[in-house]
Amino acid sequence: GAGVSQSPRYKVAKRGQDVALRCDPISGHVSLFWYQQALGQGPEFLTYFQNEAQLDKSGLPSDRFFAERPEGSVSTLKIQRTQQEDSAVYLCASSFNLKQETQYFGPGTRLLVL
Amino acid sequence: AQRVTQPEKLLSVFKGAPVELKCNYSYSGSPELFWYVQYSRQRLQLLLRHISRESIKGFTADLNKGETSFHLKKPFAQEEDSAMYYCALSGTYNYGQNFVFGPGTRLSVLP
Repeated sequence: GAGVSQSPRYKVAKRGQDVALRCDPISGHVSLFWYQQALGQGPEFLTYFQNEAQLDKSGLPSDRFFAERPEGSVSTLKIQRTQQEDSAVYLCASSFNLKQETQYFGPGTRLLVL
Repeated sequence: AQRVTQPEKLLSVFKGAPVELKCNYSYSGSPELFWYVQYSRQRLQLLLRHISRESIKGFTADLNKGETSFHLKKPFAQEEDSAMYYCALSGTYNYGQNFVFGPGTRLSVLP
C-alpha cells in the first residue's frame, strides 16, 4: 500500500514569506508526527496529533509555526514569516496508534529560506 | 531532560568486521528505545525496537538500564549496511508523549 507522502518535496521561500507543507499519512493511522531536521542533525520533534487532536505542540520553535489536522487524516504544517533559520527538512511520520508504535516516515520536504 | 547521544558522527569498518554503534540516553522513567536507519536516497525507516527483541538484518541491540545505553551491534558488517543510523527514545512525560532522536552515526562499510 501507499506510504506516507509529503508535498512539496522542495520549497524555496523568500524570508518573510508564508509556507504550507502537506502530509498524507498512511490510511487508517491514528497518530501523526512532525519533525524538523537541520543539516547534519537528527530529527527534532515538533508536534503530534491523535486523530484531529493536537496532543503535544511543545516542540514548535515559535508561534510562527502552526500545524493542523482538521479531519484526522491529512495534516498541514504552516510557517509564517519564514526566517533563514527555518531552513531544514521537515519530516512527517504516522503510526497506527500512539504509544510506542513504529513510526512510518515520509520522504520529507526540504525548505530553503533565502 | 530527555536526551539521546551518539558519540560517533562517522564510523568506518571493513566488510566482515564487527560493528557497534553507540547510543546513550537520559530519561527518568521507562522509555522505549528504537534504532532507525536511512539508506542513501531512501526515507527514514525502523530497524529495530528493544521491546520486540528482534534481530533485523543481523543487527541486535540490548537495553542496559544501568548504563542507560542501547548500543547497536552486528558481528559481520556488509557493504549494504552503509547508511545513517539514528537512536531514538519514546517516553511519556507530563501529559504528553516525547520522541527524541540522537544526532545520528554514519556507518561506512569498506570493501
